[in-house]
Amino acid sequence: GESVGLHLPTLSVQEGDNSIINCAYSNSASDYFIWYKQESGKGPQFIIDIRSNMDKRQGQRVTVLLNKTVKHLSLQIAATQPGDSAVYFCAENNQGGKLIFGQGTELSVKP
Amino acid sequence: DAGVTQSPTHLIKTRGQQVTLRCSPKSGHDTVSWYQQALGQGPQFIFQYYEEEERQRGNFPDRFSGHQFPNYSSELNVNALLLGDSALYLCASSYPHEGFEQYFGPGTRLTVT
Repeated sequence: GESVGLHLPTLSVQEGDNSIINCAYSNSASDYFIWYKQESGKGPQFIIDIRSNMDKRQGQRVTVLLNKTVKHLSLQIAATQPGDSAVYFCAENNQGGKLIFGQGTELSVKP
Repeated sequence: DAGVTQSPTHLIKTRGQQVTLRCSPKSGHDTVSWYQQALGQGPQFIFQYYEEEERQRGNFPDRFSGHQFPNYSSELNVNALLLGDSALYLCASSYPHEGFEQYFGPGTRLTVT
C-alpha cells in the first residue's frame, strides 16, 4: 500500500550546523509533498511544501529537495538552532486532501 | 487572525463510552480534516469534510463519524470507545481552491481507560 517513511528516526546536530532529514515515499503518483514540524504537546506546524513538477524549493533557512526518480524527499535546515528541536514529518498528498504521514524524525540540537 | 482551534484539550473516557471532539477552522478555510496520532507515530487520516459532507475517508471503522456545520466548524464522534482509541486527535483546515496546505490545531488528547 501507500506509505511514506523516514530513513532515520533520530538526528542529533550541533547548534549552527546544517541538518538534513530524509524521507522516502512509495506512491509515484503523488503530486504534492509537505514537511511539518511538531513540538511536544502541539499540533504539526507547516514548514514548506513542494509540488512534483519541482526539484527544489527554498524558504527561510529551509530547503526541500525532491528526487522523483528514486522517490526521495529531503529537508535541509541551515544554521540549526535550539528552537529547531522537534519531530519532523514528511507527508504526501495525492488525493486532494488526504495526507499520508511518515513516522517522523526527532531532531535534537546540542548547544 | 485565529488559527485552528480544538476543544477540549484533554479528555478521559471509559471503554464503551462515546466522545465528541470539536474543531473550528482557520479563518477563510472551508475544509476540515481529522487525524488520529498515536504516541510516537505520524498522524493517520480519518476523514475530510467539505460543504457539510464527508468527502474522503481513511481506514477507520464506522464508530468514527463526523459532522460539519454551515460555519465550517466540525465535530468528530467516536462511539463504543476502545483502549486503542487513546491518541491525540488533530483537526486540520484548508482552502483547497488555492492549494493543498493544511493547518493543524493543537489537538485533543483522548485517554480511554
